[in-house]
Amino acid sequence: ETGVTQTPRHLVMGMTNKKSLKCEQHLGHNAMYWYKQSAKKPLELMFVYNFKEQTENNSVPSRFSPECPNSSHLFLHLHTLQPEDSALYLCASSQRQSEAFFGQGTRLTVV
Amino acid sequence: KNQVEQSPQSLIILEGKNCTLQCNYTVSPFSNLRWYKQDTGRGPVSLTIMTFSENTKSNGRYTATLDADTKQSSLHITASQLSDSASYLCVVSGENYGGATNKLIFGTGTLLAVQP
Repeated sequence: ETGVTQTPRHLVMGMTNKKSLKCEQHLGHNAMYWYKQSAKKPLELMFVYNFKEQTENNSVPSRFSPECPNSSHLFLHLHTLQPEDSALYLCASSQRQSEAFFGQGTRLTVV
Repeated sequence: KNQVEQSPQSLIILEGKNCTLQCNYTVSPFSNLRWYKQDTGRGPVSLTIMTFSENTKSNGRYTATLDADTKQSSLHITASQLSDSASYLCVVSGENYGGATNKLIFGTGTLLAVQP
């Protein structure tokens, strides 16, 4: 256990559905991140938050909407996704620029 | 362009044998380099972290080296075990002066399979 928990672990959704991914950390870290991992590609940074404030949006399509209500919780709201959005979505946290701790990921399949 | 390249893409070895994974990077400015182990369908877990002033670091059967001049790193696994089967990610952190968050650049990983 890394101290970063993601739910659900697996998610299958249709292209017209709306769903949310949840990430929780109780490590006292200030920074939280969403990454997308597709097959045979490096992890792609999607969003970065520093104490609830979004500091980076890496040109992510608007069908992905992050929410950070407090420094321990991070959500990724999904709507009208495409099949190519199927991937492993990883949440991570860090205390400033120290080691990043990753959650177990949510395996998303869009049908 | 900041990039991290790993080789080989995949590797199959017999249990008990040693292996070495390679990482080349072009990230500048450079802060540190980390190796992560990622089991299939799970999140990455850190193995080692090295700053530019460190040229070797060990964690059990894992030994990482760093040559900051040639911008190369390697991860050596000794006496491999079946549980070492995983993807190994080389991750370079770009210097983010005074920043509150990491700037991590990931390689595509080396997929290691250890066979009995």
